[in-house]
Amino acid sequence: AQKITQTQPGMFVQEKEAVTLDCTYDTSDPSYGLFWYKQPSSGEMIFLIYQGSYDQQNATEGRYSLNFQKARKSANLVISASQLGDSAMYFCAMRSPNNDMRFGAGTRLTVKP
Amino acid sequence: GAVVSQHPSWVICKSGTSVKIECRSLDFQATTMFWYRQFPKQSLMLMATSNEGSKATYEQGVEKDKFLINHASLTLSTLTVTSAHPEDSSFYICSARWEDYEQYFGPGTRLTVT
Repeated sequence: AQKITQTQPGMFVQEKEAVTLDCTYDTSDPSYGLFWYKQPSSGEMIFLIYQGSYDQQNATEGRYSLNFQKARKSANLVISASQLGDSAMYFCAMRSPNNDMRFGAGTRLTVKP
Repeated sequence: GAVVSQHPSWVICKSGTSVKIECRSLDFQATTMFWYRQFPKQSLMLMATSNEGSKATYEQGVEKDKFLINHASLTLSTLTVTSAHPEDSSFYICSARWEDYEQYFGPGTRLTVT
C-alpha cells in the first residue's frame, strides 16, 4: 500500500525567503512518481512539480525545486523567494504505474509581508 | 496542459434530493477517471476509480449505491449523489488521464446540502 505523510499542518515564511515543505512516502513499487500541487482558496489543484523514482537529478520548475532523497523516501518541496501569492495549501502526492494518485494531509503555507 | 471541466462548479440542494456532477476531458480521451472528495481543511480522499465502459471501483467505506458513477464515454464521467444529506456537503474533484499518462484535475464542485 502507498502512504504519503506531510507532518507540517501549517508553515509561515517571510516574503522573499525560501521555505521547505516536508513530504515522506512509503511504497513497495520500484517505479513511482511524486507530485506537488498547490491549492488556493478557489479549490483548484495546480500542478507544481514532478519527480520520477528513476530520475537521477532533482526536479526544478522556476522557483520550485524538489529535494528527492530516495533512500530516505522523502520528497520535500523547496520554494525560493516566497511571494504573497504563494499562500495556499500544498499537497504532496504519489502514483505508481496503473495506480491512482494518493495525497498527503497537506500543509498550509502563509507568506508574511 | 490538458483541460478537465466540471459542472456545476457549485450546487445547493435540499436533503433527500439527488445531485449529478459532470466531469469532462475537453481535449483528450480519458480512459480512467477518478473522483475525490475533500472536506474543509482536509486532504483529497479518493472515492472511486472508473474506466470507460466498465463499473467503477469504489474505495473502502464509500457507498456505491449512494455515489453512482457512470463513465459512459471517453470524455465524460458523472457522479450522482443520491438522497443527499448535509454530511455529504463537500468539495468534489474529478481527475482524468489517458492510459498511464499524466493525470489532470478538474476545478471541483462545491456541494452544499441543506
